[in-house]
Amino acid sequence: DAGITQSPRHKVTETGTPVTLRCHQTENHRYMYWYRQDPGHGLRLIHYSYGVKDTDKGEVSDGYSVSRSKTEDFLLTLESATSSQTSVYFCAISEKYEQYFGPGTRLTVT
Amino acid sequence: DQQVKQNSPSLSVQEGRISILNCDYTNSMFDYFLWYKKYPAEGPTFLISISSIKDKNEDGRFTVFLNKSAKHLSLHIVPSQPGDSAVYFCAASYTGNQFYFGTGTSLTVIP
Repeated sequence: DAGITQSPRHKVTETGTPVTLRCHQTENHRYMYWYRQDPGHGLRLIHYSYGVKDTDKGEVSDGYSVSRSKTEDFLLTLESATSSQTSVYFCAISEKYEQYFGPGTRLTVT
Repeated sequence: DQQVKQNSPSLSVQEGRISILNCDYTNSMFDYFLWYKKYPAEGPTFLISISSIKDKNEDGRFTVFLNKSAKHLSLHIVPSQPGDSAVYFCAASYTGNQFYFGTGTSLTVIP
């Protein structure tokens, strides 16, 4: 299995609070991704990174920001969490085409 | 607008029989297609892929077929086993670094 960890694995937070999710890889892959999984929507791309400090938006980027200061770490920040951001968040890595996913973070915004 | 669609939310198959999971796409620029398998409380795992220059790719019990004219791909699992019970996602890309996923099909293999 690819070395990808996500932290925290579960989080409950209140509306309006900031939240940061962390993805860490040990594979030295160039690309890193953040997805959210919701019933009826499958996996939707939030943001991705193609190198240190190089990031781009995905299809559902509103309300989210990312940072990648090191090859191995990709952070997803919800500046002010809303109930619509309750979801399961997956990080993924790739060099080309095939992606390897982390175990996921279940976030609940109350 | 969903560019990759899996119109069957669920599928049940008897053990030993063939499972066929379908996926349709709308963007003719897609040139690479992948299938992922997901168990509950785990991340998706890569299963099999196919380039648009091919129409078939096999890996053991898993075969993916691509029909470019119909913008349709399918995953065949033969023979189906109870351990294949999972949610299957198809995905497509035209850049090699940005992927579009379907909504998933939940496969149940009945012993």
